[in-house]
Amino acid sequence: DTGVSQDPRHKITKRGQNVTFRCDPISEHNRLYWYRQTLGQGPEFLTYFQNEAQLEKSRLLSDRFSAERPKGSFSTLEIQRTEQGDSAMYLCASSRQRNQPQHFGDGTRLSIL
Amino acid sequence: EDQVTQSPEALRLQEGESSSLNCSYTVSGLRGLFWYRQDPGKGPEFLFTLYSAGEEKEKERLKATLTKKESFLHITAPKPEDSATYLCAVQAEGQETSGSRLTFGEGTQLTVNP
Repeated sequence: DTGVSQDPRHKITKRGQNVTFRCDPISEHNRLYWYRQTLGQGPEFLTYFQNEAQLEKSRLLSDRFSAERPKGSFSTLEIQRTEQGDSAMYLCASSRQRNQPQHFGDGTRLSIL
Repeated sequence: EDQVTQSPEALRLQEGESSSLNCSYTVSGLRGLFWYRQDPGKGPEFLFTLYSAGEEKEKERLKATLTKKESFLHITAPKPEDSATYLCAVQAEGQETSGSRLTFGEGTQLTVNP
């Protein structure tokens, strides 16, 4: 296993800009998850894919957020018209089965100026 | 709604001073309870999964236990390299479309002084 890979590691952008993050899961893991973590808090669930199907979305995922997982491999998370409150660490995780451990990448830290 | 509460928020120990971290949970049917370690600027690193009350798992100086209402992470003779934030998370039973998310607590920040 090469681990979950996320890119970029850091993103600084101006309020109102669009940003896109990429996640490459562990190979052969067909489940992929996105979480958001702010300082001093635990990760909060955003959305979940099984293969290419997006099966669950949190209420936190406003209509400015969109996630895709074409062909069931890597995933992208896009935030449109970024706001100050979007500043956070965006974490991606993958797992082989539903009740097996989710393995996390090191995240993308988003800072909104 | 699933809830996870961790205590204490922060814990300072001297090297070799054993202690326990607590994770209390409320969930509509537990599928699994997960412990993670998180270092600053990194993603959570998986430690243990517990599936049923009475289950115990051990790894080096760490031991995790589970009851119907809470889990403990026991740290025996900790070393400075054990300093990190320890996160507890639960996964609830449910349909494929609703039973996959992890609900995390806010974590316990552990500092082990030499």
